[in-house]
Amino acid sequence: DAKTTQPTSMDCAEGRAANLPCNHSTISGNEYVYWYRQIHSQGPQYIIHGLKNNETNEMASLIITEDRKSSTLILPHATLRDTAVYYCIVRVSDSSYKLIFGSGTRLLVRP
Amino acid sequence: EAGVVQSPRYKIIEKKQPVAFWCNPISGHNTLYWYRQNLGQGPELLIRYENEEAVDDSQLPKDRFSAERLKGVDSTLKIQPAELGDSAVYLCASKTGTGGNTEAFFGQGTRLTVV
Repeated sequence: DAKTTQPTSMDCAEGRAANLPCNHSTISGNEYVYWYRQIHSQGPQYIIHGLKNNETNEMASLIITEDRKSSTLILPHATLRDTAVYYCIVRVSDSSYKLIFGSGTRLLVRP
Repeated sequence: EAGVVQSPRYKIIEKKQPVAFWCNPISGHNTLYWYRQNLGQGPELLIRYENEEAVDDSQLPKDRFSAERLKGVDSTLKIQPAELGDSAVYLCASKTGTGGNTEAFFGQGTRLTVV
């Protein structure tokens, strides 16, 4: 599975959009981009995933560049409860399904 | 529907003592994972089960760690004897199916402190 690079920490104001970048320059054609987040003292929580097209669900939007070497997770209206560590993971969608976590981005949402 | 349930939530033991963690996955989930998370780091996979079979245990320190998933439902992870460096959060996760593009659900974890 390809490696990912994320900023160590970010912050944004409550109510504003939070844009979390992720670089995955060695991604292969059959690897998906997954995002999980981990709120303090809880287990990781799935947010969203995508292959080529941009994706949106009730939690967030995922923007993947055309060359697929980077992506951005967008929380459109961040709240204080969105303060967490956000993990960007790339993996092949096959029977192995091994989630390999990096160190993630620590997002602080300011009041 | 209940999520992934782990117990205990916290455990403090002296080094060289044994310890066990228990995980009850979401009903119907075939795949079960155990992860270890050190402070300030992302989770690291220890073992993955497909039903009752351990299909990936390459990261499990087999000299002191063991795991089982009898009947392909609940699972236990054991450390014997525990060392100071084993202090971490131990996370259990499960997902439906044995492959494919489905998400994994994590429990709250067991925080182990070895003194």
